[in-house]
Amino acid sequence: DTAVSQTPKYLVTQMGNDKSIKCEQNLGHDTMYWYKQDSKKFLKIMFSYNNKELIINETVPNRFSPKSPDKAHLNLHINSLELGDSAVYFCASSRQGKGGPQHFGDGTRLSIL
Amino acid sequence: KQEVTQIPAALSVPEGENLVLNCSFTDSAIYNLQWFRQDPGKGLTSLLLIQSSQREQTSGRLNASLDKSSGRSTLYIAASQPGDSATYLCAVWDTDKLIFGTGTRLQVFP
Repeated sequence: DTAVSQTPKYLVTQMGNDKSIKCEQNLGHDTMYWYKQDSKKFLKIMFSYNNKELIINETVPNRFSPKSPDKAHLNLHINSLELGDSAVYFCASSRQGKGGPQHFGDGTRLSIL
Repeated sequence: KQEVTQIPAALSVPEGENLVLNCSFTDSAIYNLQWFRQDPGKGLTSLLLIQSSQREQTSGRLNASLDKSSGRSTLYIAASQPGDSATYLCAVWDTDKLIFGTGTRLQVFP
């Protein structure tokens, strides 16, 4: 029933590890996004995909690699985790790429020890 | 570079008050403006979307206005309720992405 679902909800890991976050939407949307919300609650886009194709890469370190196996899924893999990666990561989707209302998942809280 | 600012950063009001949240943006060439609500530990819920050609949008007790030329939007909440307590974010669609404001944390107490 959930429109945009992310797993896991919480992720606690050590510096240097590699981890993945999964996102799935059942809304039939063509565009999906990853956002990062830092400790000050500031939300900023990282990537967007339209029909499995990368549209936006907002100067994110190449340790972050999104993968879209189909238009309903957009996963985020992070290599060599650093302390500064601690944040809440949100996945979102929209029907149209430009300007459409976006539907957000509940977020994945990543904590780096 | 587009920047979005929200004032106040936090607001605490008694139930029943009408209140106004402010959002300002530096570049008026926006495609649309969206207001979201974020509850603790949750994602964002879209409240209202105003196209750049529109002046306002209404949904229930919420009314959002847009003055593109002056780079401002306001979210008006009528007859506030404790259930309105949340963080409210405005975001502008700028060229190819949403740029979010800093948020207003609202608490409505009984």
